[in-house]
Amino acid sequence: NAGVTQTPKFQVLKTGQSMTLQCAQDMNHEYMSWYRQDPGMGLRLIHYSVGAGITDQGEVPNGYNVSRSTTEDFPLRLLSAAPSQTSVYFCASSYAGLKIDEQFFGPGTRLTVL
Amino acid sequence: AQTVTQSQPEMSVQEAETVTLSCTYDTSESDYYLFWYKQPPSRQMILVIRQEAYKQQNATENRFSVNFQKAAKSFSLKISDSQLGDAAMYFCAYRTDDNYGQNFVFGPGTRLSVLP
Repeated sequence: NAGVTQTPKFQVLKTGQSMTLQCAQDMNHEYMSWYRQDPGMGLRLIHYSVGAGITDQGEVPNGYNVSRSTTEDFPLRLLSAAPSQTSVYFCASSYAGLKIDEQFFGPGTRLTVL
Repeated sequence: AQTVTQSQPEMSVQEAETVTLSCTYDTSESDYYLFWYKQPPSRQMILVIRQEAYKQQNATENRFSVNFQKAAKSFSLKISDSQLGDAAMYFCAYRTDDNYGQNFVFGPGTRLSVLP
C-alpha cells in the first residue's frame, strides 16, 4: 500500500492564481480531511469528507474548495491564492466512525504564495 | 464541541531522562479514543501511542506510556530514557464516534527538545 500520497511536495504561486493540491489513499478509508499547519503551530482543519459525495467545512474553510467523487481521491482547490494561505498542507485519511485506528497522514505540501 | 488542550507549548529534557507531556480534553461522550502523534523536523506525522477510553489500563509502547485519567479528562504522555531522536512536536488527538462529522480533534502541540 502506498498509504496517503500528496502532490506536489512544494509549490510557489502568485497572488490570485488558482491551483489544486492532490490527495489520494489506497486503504479504502471513508474519512478524509485537509489540514493546514502554520509555522510553530498545530493543525487546523480546512475541510473533511466522510465518504464519496459528502464533504463539510472545518475550522478554516474560506478560500478553499473540495470535492469527493471517489473514495480514493480528495483534492483541495485554492480558488484565488493569497499570501495568508502560505502554509504546509496535510491530507489525512481513516476509517469513519468510532474505531481504534488512527488517522494516516500524507507527507505534506509546502505552499508559498507571493 | 470537543476540545483538546496542551498547556505546554515547549518542553525540554536531558538525554536519558524522563519527561511528561500534558493533554486535557473536553467532551460529554463516554466512548472515544485518544492518540499521541509525533512530528519530527521531516514533518511526517507519526503515531506514537493510542488509548481506548473504556480501558482503565494505561497504554504503553516501549519507552512511551500514558497516564489516562478519564474522570479528570487527562491524557499525559511519558517518555522514558529520552533520546535525541525524540525531539519533535507532539500532538494529542481525540477521536469521536461521529459517523457523519469531524472524527479527529487535535491539540495545539508541544515542542520537545532533547538536550545532549
